[in-house]
Amino acid sequence: SQQGEEDPQALSIQEGENATMNCSYKTSINNLQWYRQNSGRGLVHLILIRSNEREKHSGRLRVTLDTSKKSSSLLITASRAADTASYFCATVPYYGNNRLAFGKGNQVVVIP
Amino acid sequence: NAGVTQTPKFRVLKTGQSMTLLCAQDMNHEYMYWYRQDPGMGLRLIHYSVGEGTTAKGEVPDGYNVSRLKKQNFLLGLESAAPSQTSVYFCASRDGTAAPPQHFGDGTRLSIL
Repeated sequence: SQQGEEDPQALSIQEGENATMNCSYKTSINNLQWYRQNSGRGLVHLILIRSNEREKHSGRLRVTLDTSKKSSSLLITASRAADTASYFCATVPYYGNNRLAFGKGNQVVVIP
Repeated sequence: NAGVTQTPKFRVLKTGQSMTLLCAQDMNHEYMYWYRQDPGMGLRLIHYSVGEGTTAKGEVPDGYNVSRLKKQNFLLGLESAAPSQTSVYFCASRDGTAAPPQHFGDGTRLSIL
């Protein structure tokens, strides 16, 4: 079943602006991961945040996690044309099998 | 370092034909996965393997079979292809530590006519 659900589905921004995507999930999680997919390519792991963490940074990426609201956000600061891609959140359940459950993805277009 | 390699990259089949998709990883990973991705949807897990010689069903296993005879290879088979199996198929692998990220291949685009 689809666990994560991103919002908004599509985002178009100017280069240099910030892009924010949200993800909600339904069950208790061990961790939440964000992936990027460029057109015609496989998914690339961006960042992992564990259930006991609230915020994590990696370069221009900032991820927050609110387990009380079962939601996460991905912020890309100072966006570049190369950030144009689809972004997926995926959750690993707290109990069970360590299998990833993916959301439907956000398509982000950065206009030069 | 090739990572995860999928072959073929594209394939067109007729309904009822069979074929095998190959996934190979050179990272000595224990876990391997097959997903399908359909328009407007995230990835859905078809089958997975937690080690050589093991396989297990995922979320959407019907119509597919898999084998993991060698640690580095994970094969996905379609015995009798149906138009509903038109999709992009992704293979992924990860090591055996607790919930690490998965490494993905670039996909196989499969059309069933």
